[in-house]
Amino acid sequence: DTGVSQDPRHKITKRGQNVTFRCDPISEHNRLYWYRQTLGQGPEFLTYFQNEAQLEKSRLLSDRFSAERPKGSFSTLEIQRTEQGDSAMYLCASSSMKYEQYFGPGTRLTVT
Amino acid sequence: GEDVEQSLFLSVREGDSSVINCTYTDSSSTYLYWYKQEPGAGLQLLTYIFSNMDMKQDQRLTVLLNKKDKHLSLRIADTQTGDSAIYFCGLGSQGNLIFGKGTKLSVKP
Repeated sequence: DTGVSQDPRHKITKRGQNVTFRCDPISEHNRLYWYRQTLGQGPEFLTYFQNEAQLEKSRLLSDRFSAERPKGSFSTLEIQRTEQGDSAMYLCASSSMKYEQYFGPGTRLTVT
Repeated sequence: GEDVEQSLFLSVREGDSSVINCTYTDSSSTYLYWYKQEPGAGLQLLTYIFSNMDMKQDQRLTVLLNKKDKHLSLRIADTQTGDSAIYFCGLGSQGNLIFGKGTKLSVKP
């Protein structure tokens, strides 16, 4: 079991560009979560999937954000027309039905 | 909504015990977690407790839950320099977790 992986680890982009992040959960974990963490704060929930179904979305997930988990395995998080306020660490976590959430190393996004 | 509060800083000497505290407002959470985050890394799950338990011990870690006072604590026995990190408490039921701002633990040799 290799744990939750995220790609890329770091992304620098210019304001207005689109970015896409990928998360590979622990194999056979049917739940996948996305969180955002800014400096000095705890992670804030964005959205989660059970298998391929997106079950919950936070009000933080504006129209510029979209997440998919097409085959119930890996997931992508896309941010369109990035803004400087989108600069943060984007964390992915996965769990089985036991609800223990295991986090990946995160993708640090810097919008210049 | 749920509000989770933690002290921002804690400093201890190597070998002493550390106690990190967390208070919350909503008592409907089923699971209460403790995570550790080192600089530039994701969150590492340390331990968790069900809301119907009062205490859980796991090697050097002891979790205490006082449901009446809505207070959760994590005790680390024989604290080592490698324990220096930010510790987050997280509360949840079947979906997302709500986290505090984290407590930065500094361990002095």
